Amino acid sequence: EPEVTQTPSHQVTQMGQEVILRCVPISNHLYFYWYRQILGQKVEFLVSFYNNEISEKSEIFDDQFSVERPDGSNFTLKIRSTKLEDSAMYFCASKTGFDGNTIYFGEGSWLTVV
Amino acid sequence: GESVGLHLPTLSVQEGDNSIINCAYSNSASDYFIWYKQESGKGPQFIIDIRSNMDKRQGQRVTVLLNKTVKHLSLQIAATQPGDSAVYFCAEGSKTSYDKVIFGPGTSLSVIP
Repeated sequence: EPEVTQTPSHQVTQMGQEVILRCVPISNHLYFYWYRQILGQKVEFLVSFYNNEISEKSEIFDDQFSVERPDGSNFTLKIRSTKLEDSAMYFCASKTGFDGNTIYFGEGSWLTVV
Repeated sequence: GESVGLHLPTLSVQEGDNSIINCAYSNSASDYFIWYKQESGKGPQFIIDIRSNMDKRQGQRVTVLLNKTVKHLSLQIAATQPGDSAVYFCAEGSKTSYDKVIFGPGTSLSVIP
């Protein structure tokens, strides 16, 4: 079964450093997302991406965050200067956009900022 | 604004019993709803969804009920198994925010063998 894959599974970074989280969405999907989940809390929407541009973003997705689809397969989330409160599990997700609204999630990248 | 919440944060059930997980939503514009299961350390896994023009949908051992009058959604799991132990999230989507879903806070289901 096709799945969304994410790397790395876990990253530890120092405060102020840049981090890039990588995702390979399901191959025929057209809509891409990043969500995050702080430990013990609910899953929060960060950003959606369609047709090579951001279609919607939340208040969390400030100027420190950016997304990119550099080629036909990868979808990346960059945090320019990490803060302690950026520590969370980051989930990439995708959907086709053709057959409904089911969004499929990856296993997540756990980011720890120290 | 959009809001999805849960009545019960934790639920313990005996193996073999049926489980019912509830969810309230406040956005009248929501036109579809999804239940996700999240096991420890993993991403949300799609279970079942339902559109606002339906009030019931059944899957394998799961049933989702939608009551638009009171803005209530429930997930019923039949013959609950130990492998069903997880956190369950309801999520909503709408044409006004056409491509994202908003998650509720989650209910932790524990199955007692």
